[in-house]
Amino acid sequence: EVQLVESGGGLVRPGGSLRLSCAASGFTFSNYNMNWVRRAPGKGLEWVSSITSSSTSIYYADSVKGRFTISRDNAKNSLYLQINSLRVEDTAVYYCAREAASGWYLDYWGQGTLVTVSS
Amino acid sequence: NFMLTQPHSVSESPGKTVTISCTRSSGSIASQYVQWYQQRPGSAPTTVIYGDNQRPSGVPDRFSGSIDISSNTASVTISGLQTEDEAAYYCQSYDSSNHWVFGGGTKLTVL
Repeated sequence: EVQLVESGGGLVRPGGSLRLSCAASGFTFSNYNMNWVRRAPGKGLEWVSSITSSSTSIYYADSVKGRFTISRDNAKNSLYLQINSLRVEDTAVYYCAREAASGWYLDYWGQGTLVTVSS
Repeated sequence: NFMLTQPHSVSESPGKTVTISCTRSSGSIASQYVQWYQQRPGSAPTTVIYGDNQRPSGVPDRFSGSIDISSNTASVTISGLQTEDEAAYYCQSYDSSNHWVFGGGTKLTVL
């Protein structure tokens, strides 16, 4: 069974940093592209970042470019998101999601981890 | 870059049929596949339609997807509405910079 479990969220002050993790199991992690998607309170889904299976290509939404860094460790079946210079508008549930083998869509999602940015 | 615009909310009665639209602001709706995700309160999103009109295994055939090139719109239609279908629905596509684009979401209420 495919499982994605996020961790690392919490309450942080504006300007602070957090490192989110996503532990993957039930599939060959190194074969799949992975993504982070967030949902702010009262708002819709927003794609944050993508990383290809071997980390050769990385993409970011304009809203987080320069502040967020996606990475992965295929030996540990883990995906990460380093988030720096946090802003109040970064408050959201952050989901780890697997890109389907065919591409185009996200076929498995974790339950999410909440990041709250507040003074 | 383009945007995907969805109605904020729709409502319908159990047993009826509802269609949720997703209009692409620029470029052809047919240029990249459109997907639809369902997100119930407190749960992670799940895919109900991918590749414009394909259903993942386990998704009932009450869900169908389509695109209309003339209106540059994708749609998901849910027939035989059930109370469990009450959720937010998001369309998603892909731009030329390898960025994923989500619509703003539509809250479906099954009255």
